[in-house]
Amino acid sequence: DAKTTQPTSMDCAEGRAANLPCNHSTISGNEYVYWYRQIHSQGPQYIIHGLKNNETNEMASLIITEDRKSSTLILPHATLRDTAVYYCIVYNSGGSNYKLTFGKGTLLTVNP
Amino acid sequence: GAVVSQHPSWVICKSGTSVKIECRSLDFQATTMFWYRQFPKQSLMLMATSNEGSKATYEQGVEKDKFLINHASLTLSTLTVTSAHPEDSSFYICSAPRPGGRSDTQYFGPGTRLTVL
Repeated sequence: DAKTTQPTSMDCAEGRAANLPCNHSTISGNEYVYWYRQIHSQGPQYIIHGLKNNETNEMASLIITEDRKSSTLILPHATLRDTAVYYCIVYNSGGSNYKLTFGKGTLLTVNP
Repeated sequence: GAVVSQHPSWVICKSGTSVKIECRSLDFQATTMFWYRQFPKQSLMLMATSNEGSKATYEQGVEKDKFLINHASLTLSTLTVTSAHPEDSSFYICSAPRPGGRSDTQYFGPGTRLTVL
């Protein structure tokens, strides 16, 4: 699976949009971009995923560049409860191997 | 949405004892489950893949005789930490994929915090 690079930490003001970047320059054509987050002392939570088109759900939006070498997770109106470590993961969900490899992620701190 | 539960949520045990952690998929069947370990301020590290009806697959460096995995049914996997020592103190998390077309998504349990005295 392709490797990802994320900033170690980011801050965001409550109510503002949080934009979390992820670089995945070695992504291959059949690999999806997945985002999970982990609130302190909890299990990770699925947020969103995409292949090449931008995606939006009730939690967030995912913007993937045309060359697919990077993506941005957008939390449109961050709240204090969005403070968590956000993991960007690239893997081939179409295969029989569902193993996820977690990097260090980005610690997003939402400030009042 | 899909829910994965773990039991217990926390456990404290004495060194040398064994501890069993359960992972259940509550509203879907999972032929495969995953066990992770997370030390403080570190990321999740995959320990093993639990396969229903067959032996678990362990990641490199994980002792299979120390971390016993049993996938007894399509909704239950157990991780037993045998002869636990203080260095085994960690946050143990399980996950299960819920296949659905091309939108395979992992659902994670809430985690079990193990403290070995």
